[in-house]
Amino acid sequence: DVKVTQSSRYLVKRTGEKVFLECVQDMDHENMFWYRQDPGLGLRLIYFSYDVKMKEKGDIPEGYSVSREKKERFSLILESASTNQTSMYLCASSLARESNEKLFFGSGTQLSVL
Amino acid sequence: KQEVTQIPAALSVPEGENLVLNCSFTDSAIYNLQWFRQDPGKGLTSLLLIQSSQREQTSGRLNASLDKSSGRSTLYIAASQPGDSATYLCALGDDYKLSFGAGTTVTVRA
Repeated sequence: DVKVTQSSRYLVKRTGEKVFLECVQDMDHENMFWYRQDPGLGLRLIYFSYDVKMKEKGDIPEGYSVSREKKERFSLILESASTNQTSMYLCASSLARESNEKLFFGSGTQLSVL
Repeated sequence: KQEVTQIPAALSVPEGENLVLNCSFTDSAIYNLQWFRQDPGKGLTSLLLIQSSQREQTSGRLNASLDKSSGRSTLYIAASQPGDSATYLCALGDDYKLSFGAGTTVTVRA
């Protein structure tokens, strides 16, 4: 089975800190995604990547950046964390470039910004 | 922009009853539709994937249908069990990305 691993399960940071969320997948998937999930709003796409060093903005990229230096690793960066970025962050990956493949999710990182 | 709606937001049924979960969407130009399950505080697990050209998919007690013309999908779970208690989300695939509904939280009472 595909394994998508997120480095932290819970994270508490202070306003203004730079935050790194790491995600690693072990099945040579091309596509990787970062979502945030908030009560009543569902999942919203922040950024995605379909190849090494490639990145595309999702629906809510403001305040975030990403890095994909290796195929298996996709990092989400909060340059200066703010309280409205308190959320559950979910990383996902899929095999092929087109979105006709199943999406596999990590367990999520619950980030609290104080 | 694709709008995905799941109603009701929450559902409680006695064990053994069949579950019917609804998903509606506004743009029928989709690649696929996926149903996911999410347990509290956890990530999502893909249950069923229906390609745009298909009408339904089945896996064990689960059956999902897709009607693009009416912008609807339905997930049926037969003979529900307490272990089916979770939040169920539908997602529409368009090019590279998925658009998610907010989910239906299901409680199956023993």
